[in-house]
Amino acid sequence: AQSVTQLDSQVPVFEEAPVELRCNYSSSVSVYLFWYVQYPNQGLQLLLKYLSGSTLVKGINGFEAEFNKSQTSFHLRKPSVHISDTAEYFCAVSVFSGGYNKLIFGAGTRLAVHP
Amino acid sequence: EAEVAQSPRYKITEKSQAVAFWCDPISGHATLYWYRQILGQGPELLVQFQDESVVDDSQLPKDRFSAERLKGVDSTLKIQPAELGDSAMYLCASSFSTAHSGNTIYFGEGSWLTVV
Repeated sequence: AQSVTQLDSQVPVFEEAPVELRCNYSSSVSVYLFWYVQYPNQGLQLLLKYLSGSTLVKGINGFEAEFNKSQTSFHLRKPSVHISDTAEYFCAVSVFSGGYNKLIFGAGTRLAVHP
Repeated sequence: EAEVAQSPRYKITEKSQAVAFWCDPISGHATLYWYRQILGQGPELLVQFQDESVVDDSQLPKDRFSAERLKGVDSTLKIQPAELGDSAMYLCASSFSTAHSGNTIYFGEGSWLTVV
């Protein structure tokens, strides 16, 4: 069964510092990977997704992620964070079964940006 | 920009009462999902519709939860009777099609349920 593990439940960082949020997946087939962001009391917003092609994927708000098949990882990075990046970040894998697809989410990483 | 609409945003209900949530997906989206997100956890799929048909309800507690999408557009998720453990955010989402796993799934703002 496909699953997603987010290795850090919380990541504190100072404003303008770089950050990496780690995500590992398990899958026996080709995968499609996603990162979503959730601001307090809101729904999920897509940051970026990997379908195929270049392993470095650029998303909104200056975030990027790198797909590493050998390490089964899809880590999210940003070179310089802002206070407004404080949120919960979810890594997800798309599962295609029985003719339909759905997202399987990790437990989330809370990014706290401090001044 | 088109959005997935959900209501109510917040609901407080007593244990053993009935509660319902409504969702209107993005126009033209054939696939609709209901996810449950317990505080501090990632969203978990409860039920998935393709048009008006349920295609996955394997994680839906069918003794107390029901979902319908009668005309293949908007959807209602009902809980009866509500239990304390049902306190969570209920997220509705939609996508154009499930024919390709790379299709983006768009989420609504969510409905917070507190059972007291």
